[in-house]
Amino acid sequence: DIQMTQSPSSLSASVGDRVTITCRASQSISSYLNWYQQKPGKAPKLLIYAASSLQSGVPSKFSGSGSGTDFTLTISSLQPEDFATYYCQQNYNTPITFGQGTRLQIE
Amino acid sequence: EVLLVESGGGLVKPGGSLRLSCAASGFTFFSHAMNWVRQAPGKGLEWVSSISSSSTYIYYADSVQGRFTISRDDAQNSLYLQMNSLRDEDTAVYYCARDPQGFNWFDPWGQGTLVTVSS
Repeated sequence: DIQMTQSPSSLSASVGDRVTITCRASQSISSYLNWYQQKPGKAPKLLIYAASSLQSGVPSKFSGSGSGTDFTLTISSLQPEDFATYYCQQNYNTPITFGQGTRLQIE
Repeated sequence: EVLLVESGGGLVKPGGSLRLSCAASGFTFFSHAMNWVRQAPGKGLEWVSSISSSSTYIYYADSVQGRFTISRDDAQNSLYLQMNSLRDEDTAVYYCARDPQGFNWFDPWGQGTLVTVSS
């Protein structure tokens, strides 16, 4: 199974900040990497697919990059509604696996 | 509007069974692969199972293989998860999720249904 490791596990930031979350795969997954946002008590929401493609309706403040084993999600100009938990997910093969999550908190 | 609504969760004893349903609307259900993903309380996301359009391909996580069965009824626009031999560690919110383009990313997700396995 492909292991997905996110860093950091938690992150404190302020409104207006730019933050970057990293996701590392245990083997090369090309660009088969997706990012989700989850708010407390809610279902996850797709932000980025295929490493860098912005899902329709998602603000351009969210961007993704990377290929192979190392990927990043960048959120620019943080707003209160961006404070949530973020997950990466590989769709290179089954079993599909997720990172452990990065909790983004208000500083 | 694409909508997924799960139902069927509840409290069940270890070793018991439960059948989850996911009612889909707002898109051509028969043409999309569908998935179940779960989240234990306070934990991360765990993919459980996927089923392709026409039920041609079915996959399971090792943790549920042999105990859970995914199925779909395209005439009813519904996805199902039959869960047998339930264990404490199966306690989670279960989400159904659409695979929009056949590449195993998930959008949208339903609101989830809570399954609690406890004696």
